[in-house]
Amino acid sequence: EAQVTQNPRYLITVTGKKLTVTCSQNMNHEYMSWYRQDPGLGLRQIYYSMNVEVTDKGDVPEGYKVSRKEKRNFPLILESPSPNQTSLYFCASSPTSAEQFFGPGTRLTVL
Amino acid sequence: AQSVAQPEDQVNVAEGNPLTVKCTYSVSGNPYLFWYVQYPNRGLQFLLKYITGDNLVKGSYGFEAEFNKSQTSFHLKKPSALVSDSALYFCAVRDMPDDYKLSFGAGTTVTVRA
Repeated sequence: EAQVTQNPRYLITVTGKKLTVTCSQNMNHEYMSWYRQDPGLGLRQIYYSMNVEVTDKGDVPEGYKVSRKEKRNFPLILESPSPNQTSLYFCASSPTSAEQFFGPGTRLTVL
Repeated sequence: AQSVAQPEDQVNVAEGNPLTVKCTYSVSGNPYLFWYVQYPNRGLQFLLKYITGDNLVKGSYGFEAEFNKSQTSFHLKKPSALVSDSALYFCAVRDMPDDYKLSFGAGTTVTVRA
């Protein structure tokens, strides 16, 4: 089944404790992206990647890191999480500039 | 910079009535426009897109949208709403074909009452 998977789906952590949210797609898509969803703000793009080893900042990259060492994986790293990073995170992929396929989301709470 | 506005936080309609969800955009070049839907506790699902060509775009679940360049709008429509259409709808825009930044509106919650 063609899909985008994210792990973990739910995470409660404490301020400053490094964490990684994994994202993987099995559709051989070049493009992958991370978003955060906050009430009243819609989805805001954090980082995106046009292909392996090619990444760029979205609208809200502060406090996040990404890497794209393999085509299928695009992990999101929070080196020192803070409470304002409490949010619902989505990973997405697409073949080019077409519509994106979204993962199920990761609900992160930073205490 | 590109941006999207969804002027209505909520839209309420009766089942069987027409449904319209409004979206306006701002870009410097040519827009790629998308509509997505999010059901409770689910990820986003693609509904339809406008890249080029016919201004009236048809998508999934009976939805359609009309691209209006002069009004910079891309309103989502459904002729006869269903209770199952109740969800959160997002409009999104990409500025140019080679620009991979995607901007979303704040979302519109649609409630269809039986």
